[in-house]
Amino acid sequence: GNSVTQMEGPVTLSEEAFLTINCTYTATGYPSLFWYVQYPGEGLQLLLKATKADDKGSNKGFEATYRKETTSFHLEKGSVQVSDSAVYFCALRANTGGFKTIFGAGTRLFVKA
Amino acid sequence: GAGVSQSPSNKVTEKGKDVELRCDPISGHTALYWYRQSLGQGLEFLIYFQGNSAPDKSGLPSDRFSAERTGGSVSTLTIQRTQQEDSAVYLCASSLEGTGFLETQYFGPGTRLLVL
Repeated sequence: GNSVTQMEGPVTLSEEAFLTINCTYTATGYPSLFWYVQYPGEGLQLLLKATKADDKGSNKGFEATYRKETTSFHLEKGSVQVSDSAVYFCALRANTGGFKTIFGAGTRLFVKA
Repeated sequence: GAGVSQSPSNKVTEKGKDVELRCDPISGHTALYWYRQSLGQGLEFLIYFQGNSAPDKSGLPSDRFSAERTGGSVSTLTIQRTQQEDSAVYLCASSLEGTGFLETQYFGPGTRLLVL
């Protein structure tokens, strides 16, 4: 079945450090891939998405590239800020087998000033 | 208009009691989803509505869980005879049509359920 695996947290970084949160997936067909973010006390928000191989999603300085050959969609940011502290969820939605979105377990990021 | 809203924001109940959780989707969104987020876990899909019908109930964990949607808008998730393992954050999301896998889902703030 379809699944998403992302790196366990928490991840603790200093401000302006480089961020990578790894995400790999298993899916039939050609899924769409998403990163969602959940800031403290808030609901999930879509951060970025990519819909086909080699697409790069980007938003708020975050980027992720859809790599079909490695079935990965790693999230990166060149210089994190304290305000980026949140939980990040990698997710996929397959174009077969229904309409559910499959989420990873989430990675909590703490950014220290 | 407003985003997805859910009520109550927090619910504490005793084991064995029934609870109802409510979701108000974004106006005009025909697709509605329920997810469960247990402590330290990812989001677990529960059920999907397209209009008032539920073509995918595959995620409901047991027959104690049921959901309905009336008027193509508000949805309620009911958990009967609650158990401690039902404690989680229950999230609702909506999307415009639900039939495209490219569609963005918009999430509510969730209802935090604690079963004592």
